Amino acid sequence: QKEVEQNSGPLSVPEGAIASLNCTYSDRVSQSFFWYRQYSGKSPELIMSIYSNGDKEDGRFTAQLNKASQYVSLLIRDSQPSDSATYLCAVNRDTGRRALTFGSGTRLQVQP
Amino acid sequence: DGGITQSPKYLFRKEGQNVTLSCEQNLNHDAMYWYRQDPGQGLRLIYYSQIVNDFQKGDIAEGYSVSREKKESFPLTVTSAQKNPTAFYLCASSPINYAGTRYEQFFGPGTRLTVL
Repeated sequence: QKEVEQNSGPLSVPEGAIASLNCTYSDRVSQSFFWYRQYSGKSPELIMSIYSNGDKEDGRFTAQLNKASQYVSLLIRDSQPSDSATYLCAVNRDTGRRALTFGSGTRLQVQP
Repeated sequence: DGGITQSPKYLFRKEGQNVTLSCEQNLNHDAMYWYRQDPGQGLRLIYYSQIVNDFQKGDIAEGYSVSREKKESFPLTVTSAQKNPTAFYLCASSPINYAGTRYEQFFGPGTRLTVL
């Protein structure tokens, strides 16, 4: 079992719709959770971080965390063609090895 | 401008050669990291360092070496022992013990290495 799992996609949504990206993780000790956006050929860009159960909103983005189910998600409201990218989920234990473990990413396509 | 710089952007290596990838940050971050990304894959950790003159192996350290002589710099050497080095190499940094950030990592623009 991979430590961090994401559906590779592509996830295709029409412009203006809500895109829902999901991530599960296997290490129950994980405490910090991050979403990165990566455009083709570019480096990842941090867009959201979440540390507590529940929802965290930032503009059109909402991160949702459920530690009991070991599940973190990212919602993108009013999706735009410029949101088309690969979204990487990453987790961190906050103890011991303090380095992120990444999923392989979900490719999102927003259709105009 | 604060940020992370990596050089070169593109690098071509002949088989049997060692090459060194540069990573510099002026964010005053304590921790620095090297990741490798292969096409269609996530990021895999090569090495990381949380303090000057100390570093730890990541998941795929074989065939790589690093040094951390200055807080700002964390160069990665890809040695001839690395069997399949063609990949996109990403350097990142993060603050440590900074209230509220919990090891948020920020990435440089990357170096694309191709073995000829």
